Amino acid sequence: GAGVSQSPSNKVTEKGKDVELRCDPISGHTALYWYRQSLGQGLEFLIYFQGNSAPDKSGLPSDRFSAERTGGSVSTLTIQRTQQEDSAVYLCASSSSTGKTGELFFGEGSRLTVL
Amino acid sequence: KQEVTQIPAALSVPEGENLVLNCSFTDSAIYNLQWFRQDPGKGLTSLLLIQSSQREQTSGRLNASLDKSSGRSTLYIAASQPGDSATYLCAVKGSQGNLIFGKGTKLSVKP
Repeated sequence: GAGVSQSPSNKVTEKGKDVELRCDPISGHTALYWYRQSLGQGLEFLIYFQGNSAPDKSGLPSDRFSAERTGGSVSTLTIQRTQQEDSAVYLCASSSSTGKTGELFFGEGSRLTVL
Repeated sequence: KQEVTQIPAALSVPEGENLVLNCSFTDSAIYNLQWFRQDPGKGLTSLLLIQSSQREQTSGRLNASLDKSSGRSTLYIAASQPGDSATYLCAVKGSQGNLIFGKGTKLSVKP
């Protein structure tokens, strides 16, 4: 596609439910990132995929959060047993190079509201 | 641990002014530095990418500089316009491969 595509753009869920957020990176991009942006806060790194390497999960805030990337393309971020503090905009980005020098391109984000 | 700071947090200027946004980082061992723009309710738009070996990059009315040794970058916006109103974010990439972001500068350009 022309850009990074994320879905859904908005998701409202009840506390305790599981949610899945999808990211479709720019075609051919080998690196994929997930970030979280809470109201009034900066961007918080969650997880980074680079090619076939093991992902860097160091930013995941708890074991309720997980992500996978199938076939080196589409990624899904899963939040289990959602809590109100999980409410945020979840942003995905992709990059074309090894990830060390490449420019990141972001999607429009998925806004998650946990009631 | 890398920390990125942006000053000021907010800035309001009249249309036509030239302005400078500042970004500082604590660990000079970076691969690159990227400036982004974020409009309310939107994702991030990449403005300029400066590799660690470069001193500056220019795109239209925007010029970004990088002084790696002192841990500083500036984004210069010439002849500001109301359409430049947005939050500007600075981010650095280190050996881990992920970007570390500052909290941004919210710019308002008044007509």
